[in-house]
Amino acid sequence: GAVVSQHPSRVICKSGTSVKIECRSLDFQATTMFWYRQFPKQSLMLMATSNEGSKATYEQGVEKDKFLINHASLTLSTLTVTSAHPEDSSFYICSGHKAGAGGYTFGSGTRLTVV
Amino acid sequence: GQQLNQSPQSMFIQEGEDVSMNCTSSSIFNTWLWYKQDPGEGPVLLIALYKAGELTSNGRLTAQFGITRKDSFLNISASIPSDVGIYFCAGQLTSGTASKLTFGTGTRLQVTL
Repeated sequence: GAVVSQHPSRVICKSGTSVKIECRSLDFQATTMFWYRQFPKQSLMLMATSNEGSKATYEQGVEKDKFLINHASLTLSTLTVTSAHPEDSSFYICSGHKAGAGGYTFGSGTRLTVV
Repeated sequence: GQQLNQSPQSMFIQEGEDVSMNCTSSSIFNTWLWYKQDPGEGPVLLIALYKAGELTSNGRLTAQFGITRKDSFLNISASIPSDVGIYFCAGQLTSGTASKLTFGTGTRLQVTL
């Protein structure tokens, strides 16, 4: 089945630094990648949608200059949290969608802790 | 952003019991999906529903797409310890395309022996 590999699984960074999270679709081409954020005991909240080769579309309230999304190839999308603050600490999850297939494949998530 | 309402929020049940949870929306969706999330992991798809009124099973799991297209339920029969986790419903407006999913608030299931 379709697999999305997400790295790192856990990262701790200092306030003010930037962190990059990678998602790779291993056995399919993800024309669309979705990025979610999940706070403890809460649901997944969509942050942005990115189509390969295009600029990402951000949900209301999500700062595009703070959460940089790159989807330069059909198998790789990255989310960079810039100038991270403790309130950015969360569980970040990506989800890849293959054109025409109708299914979404989720990564295993990245636990970000900003200290 | 919009969220779908799931109930119950959490439940403790004994091994072997049946479980029922539901998901409601104020707006219509054309696809309903049910996911299970284990701690520290991403969601895994359990069942997908594409037609109003559709009833679909996957092993001990059964889910139905409400006739109004504003709700769905998930049943788990004869629960086992590995059923522990958080169950999320998700609605998709446009089937078969990469339209975004709207997730439910989640139902946390704990199974006691």
